[in-house]
Amino acid sequence: GNSVTQMEGPVTLSEEAFLTINCTYTATGYPSLFWYVQYPGEGLQLLLKATKADDKGSNKGFEATYRKETTSFHLEKGSVQVSDSAVYFCALSDHLDMRFGAGTRLTVKP
Amino acid sequence: EPEVTQTPSHQVTQMGQEVILRCVPISNHLYFYWYRQILGQKVEFLVSFYNNEISEKSEIFDDQFSVERPDGSNFTLKIRSTKLEDSAMYFCASNSPEAGYTFGSGTRLTVV
Repeated sequence: GNSVTQMEGPVTLSEEAFLTINCTYTATGYPSLFWYVQYPGEGLQLLLKATKADDKGSNKGFEATYRKETTSFHLEKGSVQVSDSAVYFCALSDHLDMRFGAGTRLTVKP
Repeated sequence: EPEVTQTPSHQVTQMGQEVILRCVPISNHLYFYWYRQILGQKVEFLVSFYNNEISEKSEIFDDQFSVERPDGSNFTLKIRSTKLEDSAMYFCASNSPEAGYTFGSGTRLTVV
């Protein structure tokens, strides 16, 4: 079945540091890939997505590229801010349903 | 922008009581879902619903759980006899092939 494995946290960075959160997937077919963000006490917000191989999703300085050859969708940001502190979930959807990774908690310190 | 609306935002119930969590999906979406997130843990798939029937359910979705689309706009999750371990955030989502998934802001269920 479909599944997502993402880097375990927590991750603690200083402001302006470079961020990478690794995500790999297992799927039959050609799923869409997503990153969701959950700020403290809030629900799930779509951060970015990619629907086919080699697509790059981007939003708010975050990027992720759908790599079919490595079955990966790693999240990157060149310079994190304190306001980026949240839990980040990688997810996969084959249209029938969506499966989430375990989540990675990011804390950015001033 | 269209939203998925969930009510209530927080519900406290006594163990053994029945609860109904309500969701209003986006009106032209055809696929509906419930997910659960126990505090600090991963988001877990519960059930998907299409064409007025369950299309897939996880092992978490046992006989205590049921879903219904009673009136063409609401999509409800019922937990028949709540247990302490049912305390979690419950997210509703709806999906269309064109627009993708939209999640509601969740209902926090606390069983005491």
